[in-house]
Parts: sequence; C-alpha cells; structure tokens
Amino acid sequence: AQRVTQPEKLLSVFKGAPVELKCNYSYSGSPELFWYVQYSRQRLQLLLRHISRESIKGFTADLNKGETSFHLKKPFAQEEDSAMYYCALSPTGGFKTIFGAGTRLFVKA
Amino acid sequence: DTEVTQTPKHLVMGMTNKKSLKCEQHMGHRAMYWYKQKAKKPPELMFVYSYEKLSINESVPSRFSPECPNSSLLNLHLHALQPEDSALYLCASSQVKGSTNEKLFFGSGTQLSVL
Repeated sequence: AQRVTQPEKLLSVFKGAPVELKCNYSYSGSPELFWYVQYSRQRLQLLLRHISRESIKGFTADLNKGETSFHLKKPFAQEEDSAMYYCALSPTGGFKTIFGAGTRLFVKA
Repeated sequence: DTEVTQTPKHLVMGMTNKKSLKCEQHMGHRAMYWYKQKAKKPPELMFVYSYEKLSINESVPSRFSPECPNSSLLNLHLHALQPEDSALYLCASSQVKGSTNEKLFFGSGTQLSVL
C-alpha cells in the first residue's frame, strides 16, 4: 500500500537555524516524490519535486531509496518559511497523488 | 492565466439541498482533480478526470457526482449531503505528459458547511 509519513506535526526553529522536515514513504515501485507548501491564506502549491533535483527558496530534498525517505532541508531558516508543508507521493505514470499528514513549520525571530 | 479558479468560496447547504461546486482552468491542463480536506488534515483524493473522462473514483459516496463538461471546466454536484461532509473542497489540475507525473495546480477551495 502507498503511504507517506511525516512524523512531526509541528516543528519550531529559530531564524537562521537549519531545518529538516522528515518524510518517509512506503511504495513497492518507483514513485515520484513532491513537497507542497501552504503559506497562510494562500493556496497549496508545489515547492519542489525529486526528479527536478533543484533548490527552491533555499530548500532541497534528496530521495533516498534505501531509507525510503525524502526529507526537506534548508541550512538557514527564514521567518517567511513559516507554513504548512506536505510531502506527497505519486506512482510513476499515475494520477493518484497521496499526501502525508503535513508538518507545520514555525520560524521564530 | 496560471490559476485554478473555484466558485463559490463558501457554501452553506442543508441536507436536502442540491448544489454544485465549479472549477475552471485555462492552462491547457488535461487532468483535473477533486480533493477533500478536513480541518488540520491533508487533502484526500476524490476524483480524477483525464481528457474529460473519469479516470479515478476513490470510492466516493454517490451523493457526490463529478462532471467534466469540457477540458477547462470541472463540476462537483452535491445532493443529500451529511454534516460530516463539511470540509474544504479543492480542485486541482495538471498537465498530462506520458509517464511523468506533473505538478498539481490547486485552487483556493470551496469551504462547505452542511447543516
């Protein structure tokens, strides 16, 4: 069965500190992994996807197939990073995107 | 136009009412989706349309009836809903590119309250 696990409901860090939002997945094939973000009073939007291997707003995420993880990292958190972050999985070639429970990141001044 | 537009933004309906949610996009996306999101929970997939044909129905009760009249529009017809159906209903769209999963573009949602 497909499953996405985000173990932390809330993560609070100080501005300038490193941040890591954890995501583990369960899927028998080769999934595609995404991070979506929802800022306050804004719509849900894509932050990054593993096949792009890019850095968006200073965030990166590496797919580790051995550990079935796709953790989101940023070396220096900013206050504007405060938001709800969802890790999501989609089977290759399929339309069914499944979301993890989400982690709310709070960056303190 | 790079947005998914949903109307209405808020809807209050009784259990005997019939109402419809509407979603529109003009990005040329050929896949459109309905998600349901309860408070403090992740979005849950309900339906997927691909090239205007229903591709996925996640065992959604028949009181929810989707419709895709053309490549830009997606409707969700509601009838005889229950109070537990109260939630934020999100529409999304994406390109269709072979075996690659394309990113979802979400609308801002319709907040539905069933009394």
